[in-house]
Amino acid sequence: NAGVTQTPKFQVLKTGQSMTLQCAQDMNHNSMYWYRQDPGMGLRLIYYSASEGTTDKGEVPNGYNVSRLNKREFSLRLESAAPSQTSVYFCASSEAKGWNIQYFGAGTRLSVL
Amino acid sequence: SQELEQSPQSLIVQEGKNLTINCTSSKTLYGLYWYKQKYGEGLIFLMMLQKGGEEKSHEKITAKLDEKKQQSSLHITASQPSHAGIYLCGAVYNYGQNFVFGPGTRLSVLP
Repeated sequence: NAGVTQTPKFQVLKTGQSMTLQCAQDMNHNSMYWYRQDPGMGLRLIYYSASEGTTDKGEVPNGYNVSRLNKREFSLRLESAAPSQTSVYFCASSEAKGWNIQYFGAGTRLSVL
Repeated sequence: SQELEQSPQSLIVQEGKNLTINCTSSKTLYGLYWYKQKYGEGLIFLMMLQKGGEEKSHEKITAKLDEKKQQSSLHITASQPSHAGIYLCGAVYNYGQNFVFGPGTRLSVLP
């Protein structure tokens, strides 16, 4: 029962470097999400994909891009990392957007120096 | 400003003690979720509440949603070290809308 799998678990980048965070779910869910978690601020939605083939901005999209590669996979890309993007990133999925339980991956701890 | 507030921000209790965590919304909710997060892990779903006055229990954890659907409490009875972690409430304000999360309450249980 893998659920939602995120890679990598940890990453250190230098300012200006790029990287892609990978996320895959095996629950046949339609909707997928990327959040960032910062101390005292809870989880904030970066981007989401309500269904395969669609993506939409969340609360804090600046500096990020996403790709819904297929129904299982949803990746988050940082084109030019900045120290302000140091955070813990979580991917989640749900059967549909809105009033549906979201299931979370274990997170990626990213530090940008 | 945060739509969802949680109190307390952190809590340290002795094993065996009861405790309550609160989640307050500035406006009426459609429904609310409670999640638990352990360090280095993702969020684990605990319970969901949608009707005003609803109460649900699982093992030693009870969650309630008030009649006005603006406040929820999470009560742990006879706390254990395994209850330690960060508890987050997440709200939906309309059926198709995305989640909004509270800032979390960090719970430590001393053996």
